[in-house]
Amino acid sequence: NAGVMQNPRHLVRRRGQEARLRCSPMKGHSHVYWYRQLPEEGLKFMVYLQKENIIDESGMPKERFSAEFPKEGPSILRIQQVVRGDSAAYFCASSPTLWDRGFEAFFGQGTRLTVV
Amino acid sequence: TQLLEQSPQFLSIQEGENLTVYCNSSSVFSSLQWYRQEPGEGPVLLVTVVTGGEVKKLKRLTFQFGDARKDSSLHITAAQPGDTGLYLCAGAGEGSGGSNYKLTFGKGTLLTVNP
Repeated sequence: NAGVMQNPRHLVRRRGQEARLRCSPMKGHSHVYWYRQLPEEGLKFMVYLQKENIIDESGMPKERFSAEFPKEGPSILRIQQVVRGDSAAYFCASSPTLWDRGFEAFFGQGTRLTVV
Repeated sequence: TQLLEQSPQFLSIQEGENLTVYCNSSSVFSSLQWYRQEPGEGPVLLVTVVTGGEVKKLKRLTFQFGDARKDSSLHITAAQPGDTGLYLCAGAGEGSGGSNYKLTFGKGTLLTVNP
């Protein structure tokens, strides 16, 4: 089985541009999560999505950030008008179900965003 | 406030030595996961523990979940250079805002195993 696929692996954007990060979950997984890892900090939850629904976006900044998981295609994390502070590694994870014995999330390789 | 404290932050040992790293919290978690992350890569899930007092073994790695489900440890026997990496613990459930899908991560233990 292919794992969680993220692209691009590296993304460089100038201040003010838009960044689009894509994530395809593992086959059979319908739950997608985005996390951000800032330098010297741990991974922080941003948003949880199911197909066509945002379940929990409590960790996502209110402005400039949005996420979607359409019926067809990958999940997209979109950052508008990027600033230097957005530079970080963004990880997508997926899980098969919430009601198995213990929650398990499987992570992709991440997208390293650098804002110059 | 860091809900999950991992210690030590850095650990450098020689090949063949044993080691234990810790993950502690004042909060209860319904489940706790251990991941290993290598530079430039995503976290790779090693194990999930759910029951207080649970012990799981994965080859030379032994994971334990505390009786009160607030802490966990990872013990590596006869460490090898291939064990080098950042070891992360992450909890879900009550200690993670009550959500069983939202993982709260520690900052990790960076392990270096020298040949």
